[in-house]
Amino acid sequence: EAGVTQFPSHSVIEKGQTVTLRCDPISGHDNLYWYRRVMGKEIKFLLHFVKESKQDESGMPNNRFLAERTGGTYSTLKVQPAELEDSGVYFCASSRHFTGSNEQFFGPGTRLTVL
Amino acid sequence: EDQVTQSPEALRLQEGESSSLNCSYTVSGLRGLFWYRQDPGKGPEFLFTLYSAGEEKEKERLKATLTKKESFLHITAPKPEDSATYLCAVNGGSNYKLTFGKGTLLTVNP
Repeated sequence: EAGVTQFPSHSVIEKGQTVTLRCDPISGHDNLYWYRRVMGKEIKFLLHFVKESKQDESGMPNNRFLAERTGGTYSTLKVQPAELEDSGVYFCASSRHFTGSNEQFFGPGTRLTVL
Repeated sequence: EDQVTQSPEALRLQEGESSSLNCSYTVSGLRGLFWYRQDPGKGPEFLFTLYSAGEEKEKERLKATLTKKESFLHITAPKPEDSATYLCAVNGGSNYKLTFGKGTLLTVNP
């Protein structure tokens, strides 16, 4: 079974530019999550999709961040316009249905650097 | 708001020297406590889920335990390949997000 994949692995952009991150969850996982780790801090939740619907977006920092999951498969996270404080590692995770455990499996992350 | 505190921040062990990592938490209505391992440049790798106080789980040299306030990850006779950052996270209440601690960086010297 293929794991969670993320693209790109690294991205370096100038302040004010736009960047789009992509996440492909494990096949059959309805739940998809985005997290972020900024330098020196813990991993923090951004938002949660159930299929194509946003279940919880309480962690999204501001309206410069837009997440989509069309068709309930892969997801994109767009940052527009990017600011210096957006630098960090963005992780995507997926999990099966809520019954039973909520074990979330993480992708390798996208390291975003905003200059 | 859910909170997770891990200690120590860093731990150096000699190969074969057993020890424990601590994860203290506060959460409203624990759904699960999770342990992950993270290697440099990689995403967190799932290790264990614990659901209720008194529960224990084992995997090779690792054993995780849970009380109402904290969890321990016991490492028995560690090897250099156990070197990694170990992350603790909780999920509680009516949502499904994980709240992470900052992690413990474990280094096992040969």
